[in-house]
Amino acid sequence: GEDVEQSLFLSVREGDSSVINCTYTDSSSTYLYWYKQEPGAGLQLLTYIFSNMDMKQDQRLTVLLNKKDKHLSLRIADTQTGDSAIYFCAVSPHGSGNTGKLIFGQGTTLQVKP
Amino acid sequence: NAGVTQTPKFQVLKTGQSMTLQCAQDMNHEYMSWYRQDPGMGLRLIHYSVGAGITDQGEVPNGYNVSRSTTEDFPLRLLSAAPSQTSVYFCASSQASGYNEQFFGPGTRLTVL
Repeated sequence: GEDVEQSLFLSVREGDSSVINCTYTDSSSTYLYWYKQEPGAGLQLLTYIFSNMDMKQDQRLTVLLNKKDKHLSLRIADTQTGDSAIYFCAVSPHGSGNTGKLIFGQGTTLQVKP
Repeated sequence: NAGVTQTPKFQVLKTGQSMTLQCAQDMNHEYMSWYRQDPGMGLRLIHYSVGAGITDQGEVPNGYNVSRSTTEDFPLRLLSAAPSQTSVYFCASSQASGYNEQFFGPGTRLTVL
């Protein structure tokens, strides 16, 4: 089945850029997503990218998609302490059609030091 | 809109007990899903539904039942709780179009002793 992998932890200084990486096994996903989870809360959609795009920018967020290497990354510019959270990569598994099914990575805990 | 609501927020069960985790959404979303979140394992899909009367299994369905009698509600039943079911459970809903943004509830933290 579909597999989505992320590193578990990233620590950066406030003001630096953060780059969170994700690899996946199935290249048939139409959309690929980044969700954010703050402590004690559910997940919220942070951004997404359509599979025929290579890059998407949204204010401080940049998503890069390398379909050949099946690699997705999220770059947060000028990282703030409020960005401290768990970030999940998610893809729609092969054969799921338009069912809303998602496969999530393990989540990357981003720690931002003042 | 209240969005996606889940009850209870916390629950402690003894092994072998049964219970139902409630989930409701007021956004008229067709799709609803249940996930469990365990440390270092991300979210894993338990069951999902693409509409009232239609449910299907996800990655980890054993020990759980679901039903979808209305668009709004999608309860998750634990038939005979086991310590391995200690987890945080999230319900989510999404529309059947566009980029399928999933809206998550606040979660239920379940401990099985």
